[in-house]
Amino acid sequence: EVQLVESGGGLIQPGGSLRLSCAASDLSVSDNYMNWVRQAPGMGLEWVSGIYPGGSTYYADSVKGRFTISRDIAKNTLYLQMNSLRAEETAVYYCARDRRVYDRSAQAYYYYGMDVWGQGTTVTVAS
Amino acid sequence: DIVMTQSPLSLSVTPGEPASISCRSSQSLLHSNVYYSLDWYLQKPGQSPQLLIYWGSNRASGVPDRFRGSGSGTDFTLKISRVEAEDVGVYYCMQGLQTPRTFGQGTKVEIK
Repeated sequence: EVQLVESGGGLIQPGGSLRLSCAASDLSVSDNYMNWVRQAPGMGLEWVSGIYPGGSTYYADSVKGRFTISRDIAKNTLYLQMNSLRAEETAVYYCARDRRVYDRSAQAYYYYGMDVWGQGTTVTVAS
Repeated sequence: DIVMTQSPLSLSVTPGEPASISCRSSQSLLHSNVYYSLDWYLQKPGQSPQLLIYWGSNRASGVPDRFRGSGSGTDFTLKISRVEAEDVGVYYCMQGLQTPRTFGQGTKVEIK
């Protein structure tokens, strides 16, 4: 069964660092476009970061320079290193996979939505 | 960044009745003249979001056919033909055309 399981959340003081993990089953984190999406308490969804199979990384402006997305191919795990955390970044952090399919006629990958989501891990930034 | 605007923000529906949610983007979501990069997600209470619709109108695997997505350009709609109790939750549209991905504010659907 295709599955993503996040871990690493917890209580951290403002200015502190935390590394989140997303372990994948029946899905290769290196062969897929992977995302981190967060949700503050009682709020909507916010895309945080993404990484392409080729290794290109992308970030929301609000986290650029402080967060780093990466992956470990051997462990088939996605990571989000979060530094200089702020109180307003208290949220549930989800990892999610983009479903992308190669279209031979167009010689391009087409996007088919974020079709696999983890259960989320909670990060609380407070003193 | 592409701004996504949903309406209404909340909806109370009698079981068996239809429901409709609108999503508007600040620019066209047409990708390579092939498809509209617009997804719909449902987040049921206490759960992770789940993909309902991609390309604006294609149902994801396992999604009941009472869910129908439509639209083009910058205006999209999610319709539920007959709302059931299990459909309660918050519905989000999201554009996948550009980074950063952006979501609508969410529409909370409740049962009367």
